[in-house]
Amino acid sequence: GAVVSQHPSRVICKSGTSVKIECRSLDFQATTMFWYRQFPKQSLMLMATSNEGSKATYEQGVEKDKFLINHASLTLSTLTVTSAHPEDSSFYICSAAGTIQETQYFGPGTRLLVL
Amino acid sequence: SQKIEQNSEALNIQEGKTATLTCNYTNYSPAYLQWYRQDPGRGPVFLLLIRENEKEKRKERLKVTFDTTLKQSLFHITASQPADSATYLCALDSLTAGYALNFGKGTSLLVTP
Repeated sequence: GAVVSQHPSRVICKSGTSVKIECRSLDFQATTMFWYRQFPKQSLMLMATSNEGSKATYEQGVEKDKFLINHASLTLSTLTVTSAHPEDSSFYICSAAGTIQETQYFGPGTRLLVL
Repeated sequence: SQKIEQNSEALNIQEGKTATLTCNYTNYSPAYLQWYRQDPGRGPVFLLLIRENEKEKRKERLKVTFDTTLKQSLFHITASQPADSATYLCALDSLTAGYALNFGKGTSLLVTP
């Protein structure tokens, strides 16, 4: 099946710094990718839809200036958490549409800890 | 608002038995419903998709039913194995974001030898 990778898998940063997370589709092209966030024992919450070559679409309550998304190619989307704060500590997961379009292939996730 | 409910209590069963997990939803008329498996610290893995006009779907030891009248899906794992231990997530199509998904909190399954 299709593979989606994320980098880094784990990051610890100081409050106020910015962190970039990469999401790559390794063997297929993804015009649309999704970014989710998951807090412990909670469901995955959609943050934004990343569209290749155009602006991302953010869900209600997600600050677009804080969570910058860039989808510059058909295989790469990046999420930058700007001026990170401890409350941004979470598990960030990206996904890309599968061969059955309604299904999704998920990356392994990135654990962010902001001190 | 749309709500997806999965049994929050962990399900513990003995190896070889059938595990049955429940997903209920309200304020929703989904075109399809999906089940994913998530292991600790990992991203979800797609298992099965069932559409609104389908009653049942099978894949190897997995079976999913979809009752749009009851607004419920049941997910069965037959002849369960310890390797089936994981969290199982129910997901419905997002009403606001194309092919994005709305997930339930998941039910943790533990299969003991």
